[in-house]
Amino acid sequence: AQSVAQPEDQVNVAEGNPLTVKCTYSVSGNPYLFWYVQYPNRGLQFLLKYITGDNLVKGSYGFEAEFNKSQTSFHLKKPSALVSDSALYFCAVRRGSSGTYKYIFGTGTRLKVLA
Amino acid sequence: EPEVTQTPSHQVTQMGQEVILRCVPISNHLYFYWYRQILGQKVEFLVSFYNNEISEKSEIFDDQFSVERPDGSNFTLKIRSTKLEDSAMYFCASKGEQETQYFGPGTRLLVL
Repeated sequence: AQSVAQPEDQVNVAEGNPLTVKCTYSVSGNPYLFWYVQYPNRGLQFLLKYITGDNLVKGSYGFEAEFNKSQTSFHLKKPSALVSDSALYFCAVRRGSSGTYKYIFGTGTRLKVLA
Repeated sequence: EPEVTQTPSHQVTQMGQEVILRCVPISNHLYFYWYRQILGQKVEFLVSFYNNEISEKSEIFDDQFSVERPDGSNFTLKIRSTKLEDSAMYFCASKGEQETQYFGPGTRLLVL
């Protein structure tokens, strides 16, 4: 069954340093992978997705993610973290057929960027 | 930029009462979803809706839950007799022909 795992509950990084938020997936067939961010008391905002094509996907707010088939990973990255990036990040995989896909979310990783 | 909206933002209710959570999806989207998130935890799928019927539902979505698209713009989630464990943040999402689901800001439901 399709699933994703986020092995880290929290990631701390200093402002200006590169950040990585990890996600691994388990799917049958080609994965459709997504990253969302949740700021306090807010909904989920779409960051980026991998469907097909280049393994390096660029998204909103300077984030990017690298799809690695051999390692079944889809880690979220940013070259230089901002304090405003502090939020809860969710990795998700599409599950389902036809047009009605649902998302299966990971448990979330809280990113804390320290000034 | 079009967005998904949800009302109310917060709802407090007594156990056993009925609640209706409302969502206005993005106007040209055809696929609609409800998810919930128990405080700070994982986001869980509840139900998907397409062509005026439920496409899929999770084990959470029991007989106490129902969804409706009453007028072509609103998409509602009804909980007939709320339980304490229904307290959560409920997110509506919609999707067009692309793969991306767009989420509303959520309704925080507190059952006392």
